[in-house]
Amino acid sequence: EAGVAQSPRYKIIEKRQSVAFWCNPISGHATLYWYQQILGQGPKLLIQFQNNGVVDDSQLPKDRFSAERLKGVDSTLKIQPAKLEDSAVYLCASSSIRDRGHNEQFFGPGTRLTVL
Amino acid sequence: QKEVEQNSGPLSVPEGAIASLNCTYSDRGSQSFFWYRQYSGKSPELIMSIYSNGDKEDGRFTAQLNKASQYVSLLIRDSQPSDSATYLCAVKREYGNKLVFGAGTILRVKS
Repeated sequence: EAGVAQSPRYKIIEKRQSVAFWCNPISGHATLYWYQQILGQGPKLLIQFQNNGVVDDSQLPKDRFSAERLKGVDSTLKIQPAKLEDSAVYLCASSSIRDRGHNEQFFGPGTRLTVL
Repeated sequence: QKEVEQNSGPLSVPEGAIASLNCTYSDRGSQSFFWYRQYSGKSPELIMSIYSNGDKEDGRFTAQLNKASQYVSLLIRDSQPSDSATYLCAVKREYGNKLVFGAGTILRVKS
């Protein structure tokens, strides 16, 4: 079974530029998550989708971050315009709704973003 | 008070020893608990999940859960240098599907 795929793996941009990240979850996983992980901290949930609907985006900075999952499979996360404090690793994870609600999440390799 | 708390470490143990990693959480209704291992520069990898009070063993790993004390731990027996990593504790809140992560404990196993 293929794992969660993400691209790009690394991205360096100037502040005020825009950037987009892509995620493809594990096949059959209905729930998809985007996390931000700053060095030395645990992952922080930005947005959660179930199929193509948003379940939780309470910690997404909506003035600059947006995300979509149009067909209930792939997802994109966009930052526009980027700030220095957005430098972090952006992790995508997915989980199956068949795990009896335990919510075991599996992570992709992440995208390391550096904002200069 | 943080929702999920872990000692940041580093925790240093000699090769072959037992490493004990601890985690406390504040949401008393939490039902699902996870340990992730994260190597430097890599993404978190799920290594253990536990849902009931008591112990759950998987190879050299044992997860322990005490809901009354709001405490979950991970024991690693016969620690190897390859176990050196950051261990993240994650807790599923009682309501909703959200996982809340601790900041992680750095484990160093010295040969």
